[in-house]
Amino acid sequence: GQNIDQPTEMTATEGAIVQINCTYQTSGFNGLFWYQQHAGEAPTFLSYNVLDGLEEKGRFSSFLSRSKGYSYLLLKELQMKDSASYLCAPMDSNYQLIWGAGTKLIIKP
Amino acid sequence: GAVVSQHPSWVICKSGTSVKIECRSLDFQATTMFWYRQFPKQSLMLMATSNEGSKATYEQGVEKDKFLINHASLTLSTLTVTSAHPEDSSFYICSARDWEGGDNSPLHFGNGTRLTVT
Repeated sequence: GQNIDQPTEMTATEGAIVQINCTYQTSGFNGLFWYQQHAGEAPTFLSYNVLDGLEEKGRFSSFLSRSKGYSYLLLKELQMKDSASYLCAPMDSNYQLIWGAGTKLIIKP
Repeated sequence: GAVVSQHPSWVICKSGTSVKIECRSLDFQATTMFWYRQFPKQSLMLMATSNEGSKATYEQGVEKDKFLINHASLTLSTLTVTSAHPEDSSFYICSARDWEGGDNSPLHFGNGTRLTVT
């Protein structure tokens, strides 16, 4: 079957760094997306990885290891507005995104 | 960047009535759009894939006669919840990808529609 494993909730301090891990199993693989979803809002696209390695985009970076079925999202210089759920969504062989419940990130001052 | 507009943002309707939700791609063309439903603290659940000029593809367990989808143009898809009941109350979100970006280009989401059936 297809599944995603992310921590349900994480807490971090404003200004700090946090890493949100994701392991996945899919039927085929066509890359992995990270989305941010604030409460009551729709998801917004953060990053896409299809090759192994690190993709950096400002304060956010995403890493992928295809052989391990593993990805992480790294958030630096945390701000209060980063409080949201972060969704790891791998894409299967049919180009369908597989969604988990995401990780709720709570930022404390 | 690619923008998807969804309307209305929220709607309250009485049990037994129908509600139509519109999803438009504003600056790109989308041969395929996706309709999701999300209950509180749960993951996005794909309801159906809307295909321009042809029938929608529904996920298992989603009633096609209850959730009518029409994708009449490359920029517009509509979802009609027919004979709505309180258990249909949820957050409905549409998404699309720019067809020129390929199958693995990111999905862009509308702002969602919060439906409350009383």
